[in-house]
Amino acid sequence: GQQLNQSPQSMFIQEGEDVSMNCTSSSIFNTWLWYKQDPGEGPVLLIALYKAGELTSNGRLTAQFGITRKDSFLNISASIPSDVGIYFCAGHQGAQKLVFGQGTRLTINP
Amino acid sequence: GAVVSQHPSWVICKSGTSVKIECRSLDFQATTMFWYRQFPKQSLMLMATSNEGSKATYEQGVEKDKFLINHASLTLSTLTVTSAHPEDSSFYICSAPHGDRGRLQAFFGQGTRLTVV
Repeated sequence: GQQLNQSPQSMFIQEGEDVSMNCTSSSIFNTWLWYKQDPGEGPVLLIALYKAGELTSNGRLTAQFGITRKDSFLNISASIPSDVGIYFCAGHQGAQKLVFGQGTRLTINP
Repeated sequence: GAVVSQHPSWVICKSGTSVKIECRSLDFQATTMFWYRQFPKQSLMLMATSNEGSKATYEQGVEKDKFLINHASLTLSTLTVTSAHPEDSSFYICSAPHGDRGRLQAFFGQGTRLTVV
């Protein structure tokens, strides 16, 4: 099925560094959602974006809905060890069905 | 946020047996639920859309006779893996959409690790 193009696929950073990841698509999306998945768990919603250009923060996390509605980014500032995990972008195209990115695996060196 | 509960969190079964996984929306009603499969280090792949009171809609390549879906109530969907084989071993996750029109969010269960031996 269709997937969003998410990059990078993996990141290895030092604790305290900022992180940036993004998703792009050739299609327009009505909603962009960012999730974090810990090993052996289901994804947990971090941020939801509903309007083109919308910029939303959740603590140290900031995400934006691209103005073209074909992309979104997620930034994490001042990373801490518990930020380790896999981050997924996802989008609604109209129906309730979600399309997912391939995921960004974040590893943090203390 | 809304809560989706999935049970069991892990199961080990013998090859040839069937396994049922439950997905419940605890504090909201869900006329639609989604079932995903996730292989190690990969993204979630949609298997089927579960529709309350009607047949499930399966994605291309997913065997409907192999993965039986029942959505008998507004808060419960079940996925039964029939005649399981080792290649069916995977992480299965359900989700349910919830929210106002135009502001839908998807809430996920905790996932079920299926191991077929």
